[in-house]
Amino acid sequence: NAGVTQTPKFQVLKTGQSMTLQCAQDMNHNSMYWYRQDPGMGLRLIYYSASEGTTDKGEVPNGYNVSRLNKREFSLRLESAAPSQTSVYFCASSDGWHKESNQPQHFGDGTRLSIL
Amino acid sequence: KNQVEQSPQSLIILEGKNCTLQCNYTVSPFSNLRWYKQDTGRGPVSLTIMTFSENTKSNGRYTATLDADTKQSSLHITASQLSDSASYICVVPGSNYQLIWGAGTKLIIKP
Repeated sequence: NAGVTQTPKFQVLKTGQSMTLQCAQDMNHNSMYWYRQDPGMGLRLIYYSASEGTTDKGEVPNGYNVSRLNKREFSLRLESAAPSQTSVYFCASSDGWHKESNQPQHFGDGTRLSIL
Repeated sequence: KNQVEQSPQSLIILEGKNCTLQCNYTVSPFSNLRWYKQDTGRGPVSLTIMTFSENTKSNGRYTATLDADTKQSSLHITASQLSDSASYICVVPGSNYQLIWGAGTKLIIKP
């Protein structure tokens, strides 16, 4: 009963390096999301995919790109990491885009990313 | 501006005691309000989702209330346990339907 799985759990990068955060869900959910969580702030949406084949920008998309590889997988890429991107990144999925649904979002346990 | 504000920022209570966490929102139009629990080092987990027509909803020892007129919600925890130590986050969909997350209340239960 895995739910939402994120890899890696921890990562340290140098400024300018690139990396991809992986996310997979096994609940057959249509919608997937990437958030970042910073101390003292609410979660902020980076990108989302309301359904397979579509992606859209959230509140803080600058410096990131995403790929909805298939219904299960949604990856987040940092092309040129900056210290301001030091954060905890969460992937989530839900059964339907919450515009039309009251279903909750299910979260992975996050990737803790430090940019030096 | 759509906002979700929670109080207190942090709270320490003794095991077995009750507590109430507050959430005020300015989001309009309103569709639903969600409460999540986030254990340290883990992702948030949904506790409850309340729609406009619901003013009370229980999930075990957790009871959420909603007053859509005053745009306030509360989460009441009864007979607290050590496992209740966590951050509790209030969430409301914004006008563009993206979720607006509060900063959370950090609750510490002491034995």
